[in-house]
Amino acid sequence: EPEVTQTPSHQVTQMGQEVILRCVPISNHLYFYWYRQILGQKVEFLVSFYNNEISEKSEIFDDQFSVERPDGSNFTLKIRSTKLEDSAMYFCASSVDRALMAQHFGDGTRLSIL
Amino acid sequence: KNEVEQSPQNLTAQEGEFITINCSYSVGISALHWLQQHPGGGIVSLFMLSSGKKKHGRLIATINIQEKHSSLHITASHPRDSAVYICAVLPTDKLIFGTGTRLQVFP
Repeated sequence: EPEVTQTPSHQVTQMGQEVILRCVPISNHLYFYWYRQILGQKVEFLVSFYNNEISEKSEIFDDQFSVERPDGSNFTLKIRSTKLEDSAMYFCASSVDRALMAQHFGDGTRLSIL
Repeated sequence: KNEVEQSPQNLTAQEGEFITINCSYSVGISALHWLQQHPGGGIVSLFMLSSGKKKHGRLIATINIQEKHSSLHITASHPRDSAVYICAVLPTDKLIFGTGTRLQVFP
């Protein structure tokens, strides 16, 4: 069965550095999402992306964050200048359509900011 | 107030027991997901439903749209069912997650 793949599985970065988290969604999917989960807390929506543009973003997704689909297969989340509070598990998800089909999740990238 | 409430927060069971996890939500939705998160952190989608009932193996999910309530049932529970079960609702195209129910099934 096709899967959403995320790399790396664990990223350790110094505070203030830029980090890029990578995702390869399922190939025929059109809607892409990033979520994050701070340790011990619930999963939170960050951003949704469709047709090469952001369709919705949360309050968390400020100017430090950006997303890109650079080559038609990868979907990336960039954090420009990381803060300690960005430490979390970041999940990528994709779906065929907006509401009728389930979102499929990757295994996540654990981001640790030192 | 959280838009998605789950109960119980923690649940322990003996192998073979019938388990029910409840989810109530306060927003209008097009669908509801039940997700499973294992200790390693990965999330697996179990069900997506917008009405009625779905069954997959020993798992059954029901939803009552009028009452804004869903339940996840596990029949003949097994230690490998131990995980966090998360209810997430879809008002638009973003999922809103509950805090999860941590289930431990002992042999």
